[in-house]
Amino acid sequence: DIVMTQSPSSLAVSAGETVTINCKSSQSLLSSGNQKNYLAWYQQKPGQSPKLLIYLASTRESGVPDRFIGSGSGTDFTLTISSVQAEDLADYYCQQHYSYPLTFGSGTKLEIK
Amino acid sequence: EVQLVESGGSLVQPGGSLKLSCVASGYTFSNYWMDWVRQTPGKSLEWIGEINTDGSKTNYAPSIKDRFTISRDNAKSTLYLQMSNVKSDDTAIYYCTRIGYNSGYVGDYWGQGVMVTVSS
Repeated sequence: DIVMTQSPSSLAVSAGETVTINCKSSQSLLSSGNQKNYLAWYQQKPGQSPKLLIYLASTRESGVPDRFIGSGSGTDFTLTISSVQAEDLADYYCQQHYSYPLTFGSGTKLEIK
Repeated sequence: EVQLVESGGSLVQPGGSLKLSCVASGYTFSNYWMDWVRQTPGKSLEWIGEINTDGSKTNYAPSIKDRFTISRDNAKSTLYLQMSNVKSDDTAIYYCTRIGYNSGYVGDYWGQGVMVTVSS
């Protein structure tokens, strides 16, 4: 199984700051066939189900604000949230969909000071 | 508007069985693969398995293989998760998700989740 390691497990920032969440996979998620990275990011607000933010490592889902930026390739990926807003209070998860079984990171809790 | 509504969650004894349902609306259910994902009380997400559009192909996580079965009824726009020989580790919130082929084949819509508690 591919192990997804997220860091940090939690962080607290003030509104307007920039946040970086890291996700490292135990194997490369880059397909040699199409050069796509099979990595997704989800946001889960308190009391809600997860919501897709980013897929294929860097493509924002429709309707997701452009302050959410996904980057990285191979085994190292980053979710950057620029100018954090109070509504971004949530848990963030990465997921690999490169091979079965699909696996998630352990999550990063974002708190707003 | 795409909606996924799970039902069937309850308290079940270890070794028992339970069947969860997920009714889809707002899109053509038969055109999409569907997944089940669960979230334990410790908050981590775990992929359970998936089913293709006509129900002829499934993939499962090793942790639940041979105990859980995913099926679907396209005429009823309903996805199912049959759980058997349940264990305390199966206690979790269970989500159904639609796999979006325009979003990299990941879960683009999730239900609100249903709670399953395994306890004697």
